[in-house]
Amino acid sequence: DIQMTQSPSTLSLSVGDSVTITCRASESLGYWLAWYQQKPGKAPKLLIYKASTLASGVPSRFSGSGSGTHFTLTISSLQPDDSATYYCQQYLNYPITFGQGTRLEI
Amino acid sequence: EVQLVESGGSLVKPGGSLRLSCAASGFSFTGHYMNWVRQAPGRGLEWVASISSRSDYIYYADSVRGRFTVSRDNANSSLFLQMNSLRAEDTSVYYCVRMWGGVGSLYYLDLWGQGTLVTVSS
Repeated sequence: DIQMTQSPSTLSLSVGDSVTITCRASESLGYWLAWYQQKPGKAPKLLIYKASTLASGVPSRFSGSGSGTHFTLTISSLQPDDSATYYCQQYLNYPITFGQGTRLEI
Repeated sequence: EVQLVESGGSLVKPGGSLRLSCAASGFSFTGHYMNWVRQAPGRGLEWVASISSRSDYIYYADSVRGRFTVSRDNANSSLFLQMNSLRAEDTSVYYCVRMWGGVGSLYYLDLWGQGTLVTVSS
């Protein structure tokens, strides 16, 4: 199974700051990586797929980059609504695996 | 409206069984692999199972293989998860999730239901 490791586990930042969350895979994924945002009590929401493609309706403050085993999610000009847990997910092979999550507090 | 609505979650005793359902609407159900993903209280996301559009390809997580069975009814745009021999560690919110409809068998998860809670406890 492909192991996904996110860092950091938690973050506390201020409105207007920027943040970068890292996701590392135990083997090369090419570009087959997605990012999700989950707010408390809600279902996850797709943010980015194919490592850097923004999902429909996602603000341009969100961006993704990387390939192979190293990926990043960057959020610029943080807003209070960005408070959430963020997960990376590989879709190179079954079983589908997720990172453990990064909790972001604004 | 494009949506997935799960139902069937409840409190069940260890060793018991439960069947979850998911009703899809607003999109072509037959064009997508469908999935179950779960989340234990306060924990991260765990993929459970995937089923192809014609039910000819089915994949399970090791943690549920042999106990859970995923199925679908394309005529009624419904997805199911039959859960047997339930354990305390199966306690989770179970999400019905659509996979993007490409020609392959594995893509990102682009539409999530609101989830249904399964609690396994005596």
